[in-house]
Amino acid sequence: DTGVSQNPRHKITKRGQNVTFRCDPISEHNRLYWYRQTLGQGPEFLTYFQNEAQLEKSRLLSDRFSAERPKGSFSTLEIQRTEQGDSAMYLCASSATGGGGYTFGSGTRLTVV
Amino acid sequence: AQKITQTQPGMFVQEKEAVTLDCTYDTSDPSYGLFWYKQPSSGEMIFLIYQGSYDQQNATEGRYSLNFQKARKSANLVISASQLGDSAMYFCAMREGPGGFKTIFGAGTRLFVKA
Repeated sequence: DTGVSQNPRHKITKRGQNVTFRCDPISEHNRLYWYRQTLGQGPEFLTYFQNEAQLEKSRLLSDRFSAERPKGSFSTLEIQRTEQGDSAMYLCASSATGGGGYTFGSGTRLTVV
Repeated sequence: AQKITQTQPGMFVQEKEAVTLDCTYDTSDPSYGLFWYKQPSSGEMIFLIYQGSYDQQNATEGRYSLNFQKARKSANLVISASQLGDSAMYFCAMREGPGGFKTIFGAGTRLFVKA
């Protein structure tokens, strides 16, 4: 297993465009998380999946954000009508049930121009 | 509401010396877990060490140890024998409850190791 994989690593988009990011977790991990990290800050929780069920979505997420995890494997995070304030690093992490630390991917850095 | 506070924006340490990174937390849940993560300049968050609220002994992982003082609600990370590769951002984090899933993070401390 090569760990948590995120694609793309970098994305530059024009304001108003839609973007989609993909996360492939560690195959044995049934929990998947999305976080957002802006410069100089710690990661902020966005949403959480247990298998294919999205169990919590942060109030930070507006209606322009949507995440899916079909079949409980990979996950996608879509941002519609991007705004400059969406510029950040988007981190995906996975873990097994029962606690312990997360395994993070390398992140997708989004720049909205 | 749960909260993590890291009051040191930046720290310097001489190579081969020990360094302590501070972390205080706030929660009303008697069951919680405390974590430390390292984020090098490459950007990937790396899990370092975990301490459960009911654990009697401080957690240790190699050169990392967590100084857990429950009454003071502090969970400081101690790195012994610092190496140049330890230069990175360090984040303290907490997850509430035995069935909790959401981990919250502090603002981080940037550690600089000097040769």
